[in-house]
Amino acid sequence: IAGITQAPTSQILAAGRRMTLRCTQDMRHNAMYWYRQDLGLGLRLIHYSNTAGTTGKGEVPDGYSVSRANTDDFPLTLASAVPSQTSVYFCASSTGTGTEAFFGQGTRLTVV
Amino acid sequence: AQKITQTQPGMFVQEKEAVTLDCTYDTSDPSYGLFWYKQPSSGEMIFLIYQGSYDQQNATEGRYSLNFQKARKSANLVISASQLGDSAMYFCAMREDRGSTLGRLYFGRGTQLTVWP
Repeated sequence: IAGITQAPTSQILAAGRRMTLRCTQDMRHNAMYWYRQDLGLGLRLIHYSNTAGTTGKGEVPDGYSVSRANTDDFPLTLASAVPSQTSVYFCASSTGTGTEAFFGQGTRLTVV
Repeated sequence: AQKITQTQPGMFVQEKEAVTLDCTYDTSDPSYGLFWYKQPSSGEMIFLIYQGSYDQQNATEGRYSLNFQKARKSANLVISASQLGDSAMYFCAMREDRGSTLGRLYFGRGTQLTVWP
């Protein structure tokens, strides 16, 4: 693993189903984030974690949950998917004050 | 209010010409960072350049430079000698260092750059 790895890269999901998007980083960054990208809206923060064991809500948290059991992993769960959650999801990590934030390759999720 | 504003949904430039992508930001935090990312059609987010609020000089990375005008709260990206491979979506982003969300980035809506031969 080098950097941030997301899985799956794409998924078609039936509405009402539960889904977990996985994110793993190997840079030992304290801070991790989940963003969603929608056409014309840029990237918006869903949830974040400043350090292992803590999480917080971003600007669009409804319908999503996260956990941060250790430094490396930051899964995002959709408890009961809805079509409005169709989006591209990016996981990212940073030191918090550094000169770069690192992004995974994205997960394209379609809820039908 | 939008923290990052990119007013150009689309820009066109001829190969080998320079192009400026506009970005303005809004913050009361005296310490912040400004970023530009490139997103090609393949979808990945590629980091281009960073400018810290206390940096005295404009950041440069190869053909990319950031025109930082602090008083105007402007952080425009200049791409010199455009190449066909520069065609992509470009995002401006800001990190506020005093916020509770460590390292969180605020993104603009992006500018789609098309380079034509």
